[in-house]
Amino acid sequence: RKEVEQDPGPFNVPEGATVAFNCTYSNSASQSFFWYRQDCRKEPKLLMSVYSSGNEDGRFTAQLNRASQYISLLIRDSKLSDSATYLCVVNIASGGYNKLIFGAGTRLAVHP
Amino acid sequence: DGGITQSPKYLFRKEGQNVTLSCEQNLNHDAMYWYRQDPGQGLRLIYYSQIVNDFQKGDIAEGYSVSREKKESFPLTVTSAQKNPTAFYLCASSTKGLAGSMGTQYFGPGTRLTVL
Repeated sequence: RKEVEQDPGPFNVPEGATVAFNCTYSNSASQSFFWYRQDCRKEPKLLMSVYSSGNEDGRFTAQLNRASQYISLLIRDSKLSDSATYLCVVNIASGGYNKLIFGAGTRLAVHP
Repeated sequence: DGGITQSPKYLFRKEGQNVTLSCEQNLNHDAMYWYRQDPGQGLRLIYYSQIVNDFQKGDIAEGYSVSREKKESFPLTVTSAQKNPTAFYLCASSTKGLAGSMGTQYFGPGTRLTVL
């Protein structure tokens, strides 16, 4: 079983749609959680951290369920510019240091 | 401008040759990392360094080597021992957070290595 699992997609949605991505992680000792965005052939960039209480940044809402080891990202009112791959990332303590475990990503394509 | 630079953007090498990828940061970050990304897979950690003159193996270090002689620089050498070197290589850096936690990682633009 992969440490971080995501639906690879692609999710093809029209502009203005609401879309949700899910992610599950296997290590219950995971400490912190993030969503990164990666455009085609570019580097990943931090989209938002994910907190237990849930957090919102404009059209983006992230949720964490520690009991179910589940993270979600909701995008409202999708824009063409939201087309990208969204990476679920988990920070765990391993061998005396913190390391990031990356999911393979979920691809989103927003069309007119 | 503050940031992380990687060079070159594209690199082609013949099988059996060693190649060194450059990574420089002017963010004053203590920690630096090298990842490899293959199609349909998440980023995998090759090596990391938390301080100058110190580095540790990540999950897939075989066939790679690094050095950390300066805080700003963390070059990665892909040796001929690496069986499948063609990939997208990403360098990242971060501050050290409180109580040993990790600060946010910032990535360089990456180097696409193709071994012919």
